[in-house]
Amino acid sequence: QQQVKQSPQSLIVQKGGISIINCAYENTAFDYFPWYQQFPGKGPALLIAIRPDVSEKKEGRFTISFNKSAKQFSLHIMDSQPGDSATYFCAASTLYNFNKFYFGSGTKLNVKP
Amino acid sequence: DAGVIQSPRHEVTEMGQEVTLRCKPISGHNSLFWYRQTMMRGLELLIYFNNNVPIDDSGMPEDRFSAKMPNASFSTLKIQPSEPRDSAVYFCASSLEGEAGGEQYFGPGTRLTVT
Repeated sequence: QQQVKQSPQSLIVQKGGISIINCAYENTAFDYFPWYQQFPGKGPALLIAIRPDVSEKKEGRFTISFNKSAKQFSLHIMDSQPGDSATYFCAASTLYNFNKFYFGSGTKLNVKP
Repeated sequence: DAGVIQSPRHEVTEMGQEVTLRCKPISGHNSLFWYRQTMMRGLELLIYFNNNVPIDDSGMPEDRFSAKMPNASFSTLKIQPSEPRDSAVYFCASSLEGEAGGEQYFGPGTRLTVT
């Protein structure tokens, strides 16, 4: 069973719009929540990450919102650009097994010019 | 600065053949991970090593899969015998345990096709 559930599977956004990708989990031991970005033919690369002691983290146009009580977190891409077109993966790991990431199923984002 | 290096980038083999995938982690990193990516199952962790020692191999699908890390700069993932359902992209990643954020750096992947 998938430990981290990600939605939507695919997303089409117009240039300048906001892209929102959601993830949910059940394991309350999860302590670290990274988002990875993957371009075609490349390996995933860390985009932004958050720990549950904060509810939001922003880096440039990318923001993670975290709701600990709901066990949900989301990635917001403001002013989406065609260059943001990629597959995005959320992930989670626990404090006692920090290295073991549980990845979501991925969201393929297409930003139309 | 070289990232994670994987070889070969593409491998096409026939069912029943042995396949060996190779990985060179980033110098100085002490954790190494092997992942498999398919459309159906997404990104799955197969095994990871810390200081060359296998820590968690619970993701290795079956005995046909084996992984080794003889030294800090080299690891292999072997499939013997290979089957068509092993067709996937296999990623190697490395990280520095203890580094704030625990970022895993992924290689470009090996696309394996078993016919």
